[in-house]
Amino acid sequence: EDKVVQSPLSLVVHEGDTVTLNCSYEVTNFRSLLWYKQEKKAPTFLFMLTSSGIEKKSGRLSSILDKKELFSILNITATQTGDSAVYLCAVEGTYKYIFGTGTRLKVLA
Amino acid sequence: GAVVSQHPSWVICKSGTSVKIECRSLDFQATTMFWYRQFPKQSLMLMATSNEGSKATYEQGVEKDKFLINHASLTLSTLTVTSAHPEDSSFYICSAFSGQGRETQYFGPGTRLLVL
Repeated sequence: EDKVVQSPLSLVVHEGDTVTLNCSYEVTNFRSLLWYKQEKKAPTFLFMLTSSGIEKKSGRLSSILDKKELFSILNITATQTGDSAVYLCAVEGTYKYIFGTGTRLKVLA
Repeated sequence: GAVVSQHPSWVICKSGTSVKIECRSLDFQATTMFWYRQFPKQSLMLMATSNEGSKATYEQGVEKDKFLINHASLTLSTLTVTSAHPEDSSFYICSAFSGQGRETQYFGPGTRLLVL
């Protein structure tokens, strides 16, 4: 059965800390893995990963995919209170997307 | 930059009525749009993939006769919840990728539906 598992479920850190969020998956005919940030409303797209070992970076956020071990990590360095959100991972297989349950990150001032 | 809009933002309706939600891509053409549903404190669930000029592809467990999708143009997809019931109350979100290489996925702001 196809599935996407994110860990941890919830995380509380202080401003300035670095966090690593994990996403592991089992999907038939993997096409891509996507990361999103969701605050109060619709998600914001962060990254799409299709190739193993190539880091994608955007400011303090970065992500990498390991297609052999079937996981991805999302790193956030020097966290800020504005990073508080639910981070969703989704994996695209043939004709479908499967979302993980998300990691709820709370950054304290 | 590319933007996806949704209308309306909020809908409150009586049980048994039909509700239409519009999703528009504003600065780009989208041959494919995606419709999601999110219940409180749960993750997004993909409902269907809307294809311009052809039938939508529905995810397992989503009733195609209940959730009618029309993608009549490259910038507009509509989701109609027919004969809505309280259990259909949810947050409905659409999205589309911009660019040939699907560089970025843009989400609409979502439509919150409450069926009384």
